[in-house]
Amino acid sequence: AQKVTQAQTEISVVEKEDVTLDCVYETRDTTYYLFWYKQPPSGELVFLIRRNSFDEQNEISGRYSWNFQKSTSSFNFTITASQVVDSAVYFCALSPQGGSEKLVFGKGTKLTVNP
Amino acid sequence: GAVVSQHPSWVICKSGTSVKIECRSLDFQATTMFWYRQFPKQSLMLMATSNEGSKATYEQGVEKDKFLINHASLTLSTLTVTSAHPEDSSFYICSAPVAGWTEAFFGQGTRLTVV
Repeated sequence: AQKVTQAQTEISVVEKEDVTLDCVYETRDTTYYLFWYKQPPSGELVFLIRRNSFDEQNEISGRYSWNFQKSTSSFNFTITASQVVDSAVYFCALSPQGGSEKLVFGKGTKLTVNP
Repeated sequence: GAVVSQHPSWVICKSGTSVKIECRSLDFQATTMFWYRQFPKQSLMLMATSNEGSKATYEQGVEKDKFLINHASLTLSTLTVTSAHPEDSSFYICSAPVAGWTEAFFGQGTRLTVV
């Protein structure tokens, strides 16, 4: 069975602080895909990143960076110099096999960035 | 990217009535559509997978007679909540995988409130 754990339910930071959102996953598949989505108050899901299990390189996209470590089954997400617009619920998700198959979501981390 | 259009964005209905939610793929053919449900402050949980021209596959614990899914064409999948009750109040969102893309595309979501 697949499982995604986001232990941090809510995080509150002050603007310009760095913040890391944790994600730990469980799967028996050797091939799998990990995702991060942002859900602003309006509800829609905004795709942030996809990573497959064979690519452990960290990725940076602007203020966002991701640290994938298979040894600890973690796929953490860091926002550098946070901004108020980053306030949202962030979901980590796992796709059992295909890159566009159904997703298993974590419970989400609500990030509040205060001015 | 591809566009999945979901309607309505929000709906309020009386207990006992039925509500239909539509998801349309605007610029691609969706042979598969995933339907998720998100209760307040909870994660997204897969309800069912609809396939064009065949019966939907429901996840364990989801009542197929209550949540009717129709995927009669390659561009439209519908979810009908029959005899809705207050406990069905939730955020419903669809997603569709697209050939050649690494992630599924989500609709905007529908917030259902049953009073």
